[in-house]
Amino acid sequence: DADVTQTPRNRITKTGKRIMLECSQTKGHDRMYWYRQDPGLGLRLIYYSFDVKDINKGEISDGYSVSRQAQAKFSLSLESAIPNQTALYFCATSDPFGLADADTQYFGPGTRLTVL
Amino acid sequence: LAKTTQPISMDSYEGQEVNITCSHNNIATNDYITWYQQFPSQGPRFIIQGYKTKVTNEVASLFIPADRKSSTLSLPRVSLSDTAVYYCLLMDTGRRALTFGSGTRLQVQP
Repeated sequence: DADVTQTPRNRITKTGKRIMLECSQTKGHDRMYWYRQDPGLGLRLIYYSFDVKDINKGEISDGYSVSRQAQAKFSLSLESAIPNQTALYFCATSDPFGLADADTQYFGPGTRLTVL
Repeated sequence: LAKTTQPISMDSYEGQEVNITCSHNNIATNDYITWYQQFPSQGPRFIIQGYKTKVTNEVASLFIPADRKSSTLSLPRVSLSDTAVYYCLLMDTGRRALTFGSGTRLQVQP
């Protein structure tokens, strides 16, 4: 969905480096999410934010941190990257009070991260 | 959290109707049944959502029996471009954590 953008789209980094993945949305949604996906597996929730002042850990938050700079921006950081964080990372947004279906999530195109 | 169970994979041919069933025995009163589609290296895309009975849109139909312990996603006359992974989720506006699971990998052949 073009309303949710992620940068960078691809990134190769080395073990121990700090890296930030950014997500921006123009949908005006309050809720934003970060997921990771490993090959052949479903998505796992890392962190989520229901508004600018509300940040919550998901099922696999260890080794990650987030920042909700504004309603439209939600960044994911790896403070010291390790190889098993190599994965496809997705950002998503939702609006539980919108006219569409209950809390439908809209996903960005993903960031492919490789940690060597 | 209520859990969903769906087949790991399914195969079909172009032009056939495909039905993917999802079990959710512990569904809560406030849960909506939601299906997403994911193509390789893309984010999941919302397909359809329902609470009970039948819902139909331009892409699919969703059948939900009265006890709501299962649901069936129906894709009419599939094409090669319907080859994707399909996820069944239970969602409500108050739930804070979502579990996608491994989904059902649908392979459509010519």
